[in-house]
Amino acid sequence: EPEVTQTPSHQVTQMGQEVILRCVPISNHLYFYWYRQILGQKVEFLVSFYNNEISEKSEIFDDQFSVERPDGSNFTLKIRSTKLEDSAMYFCASRAGVAGTGELFFGEGSRLTVL
Amino acid sequence: AQKVTQAQTEISVVEKEDVTLDCVYETRDTTYYLFWYKQPPSGELVFLIRRNSFDEQNEISGRYSWNFQKSTSSFNFTITASQVVDSAVYFCALRSGGGADGLTFGKGTHLIIQP
Repeated sequence: EPEVTQTPSHQVTQMGQEVILRCVPISNHLYFYWYRQILGQKVEFLVSFYNNEISEKSEIFDDQFSVERPDGSNFTLKIRSTKLEDSAMYFCASRAGVAGTGELFFGEGSRLTVL
Repeated sequence: AQKVTQAQTEISVVEKEDVTLDCVYETRDTTYYLFWYKQPPSGELVFLIRRNSFDEQNEISGRYSWNFQKSTSSFNFTITASQVVDSAVYFCALRSGGGADGLTFGKGTHLIIQP
């Protein structure tokens, strides 16, 4: 069964360092997302991406964040200068089909620890 | 603005009991989609069900059932004859129709099934 894959599963970094989290969405999906879950808290929307551009972003998604789809398969989230409060599980998701319909399929998450 | 409220932070029941997880949502959109996701201790987000705002039929899938009531803006989830493997955090989520809008998640209900 097709699935969303994320790498790395866990990354530890020093405050101020740049981090890139990678995702391979399901191949025929058109909509891509990043979500964040701080330990023990709810899942928060960061950004959605469609047709090679950002469709929507939350107030969390500030200038230190960026997303890219560098080729036909990967979808990346970059955090330029990590802060302690960026420590969280980051989930990538993708969705197929007509706008507004369909469920999001999530990857297993990338745990980011900022020291 | 959209909002999803899961008032039950944690529920603990003994195996084989039935349990209902509550979800109340707020949206100004007439077309929207409701979801339930399961997050087991391993951390991934597992899709359980999607309902459209124009389809109020309740749904049963094995031991799982969902009760969608637009009149009370609720989308409750019932597990019958609970099992230890049902222990997880369950998230209710909402998305408006159209576009690439991200999901708005509730804070989740931690369900503990004791043997």
